[in-house]
Amino acid sequence: KNQVEQSPQSLIILEGKNCTLQCNYTVSPFSNLRWYKQDTGRGPVSLTIMTFSENTKSNGRYTATLDADTKQSSLHITASQLSDSASYICVVSALGFQAGTALIFGKGTTLSVSS
Amino acid sequence: GAGVSQSPSNKVTEKGKDVELRCDPISGHTALYWYRQRLGQGLEFLIYFQGNSAPDKSGLPSDRFSAERTGESVSTLTIQRTQQEDSAVYLCASSLGTAAAYEQYFGPGTRLTVT
Repeated sequence: KNQVEQSPQSLIILEGKNCTLQCNYTVSPFSNLRWYKQDTGRGPVSLTIMTFSENTKSNGRYTATLDADTKQSSLHITASQLSDSASYICVVSALGFQAGTALIFGKGTTLSVSS
Repeated sequence: GAGVSQSPSNKVTEKGKDVELRCDPISGHTALYWYRQRLGQGLEFLIYFQGNSAPDKSGLPSDRFSAERTGESVSTLTIQRTQQEDSAVYLCASSLGTAAAYEQYFGPGTRLTVT
């Protein structure tokens, strides 16, 4: 069964600290993996997208890694800011599925950055 | 340019009533998705429109749910005889093509509360 598991479920860190969020998936065949940021009351916004051949991709203070062999990805946030408080969602795209069901969403990690 | 917009932003309705949710996608985006997001859960695919092709309705949870889209413009999601378990945030997303290959842009969502 195609699944995306994220950990931790929630995380609280102090402003300025770094953190790493994890995403494990069992989706096959794999097409790409995305990380989204969802602020409270808003829709998700794309941070990064990685294909099979990409190991790392950065977007400002956000760096995503992908290990396609172990089917794991991480999102590292450097020098966290209060505005980083949000839910971070890992989404894996599968090949060969109908377009509607080709994206498998994780439940997200809720990050709270405190001052 | 304008992003994906949704209306209303919040809707409170009594059990048994019908509701209509609206989505205005980004101009030129041929693909449109509806998702449901229950509290603490991942996004749940509902329905997918691609141009003039027949929609992928495989995610609709029951026959009380239906959606329409006129060409490549506005879409409406209708829930008939609402139940309390329909309470959730309903998100709309659009993309240039199938979201497996193209980035999805999400609207802010409609928060539906069924009392």
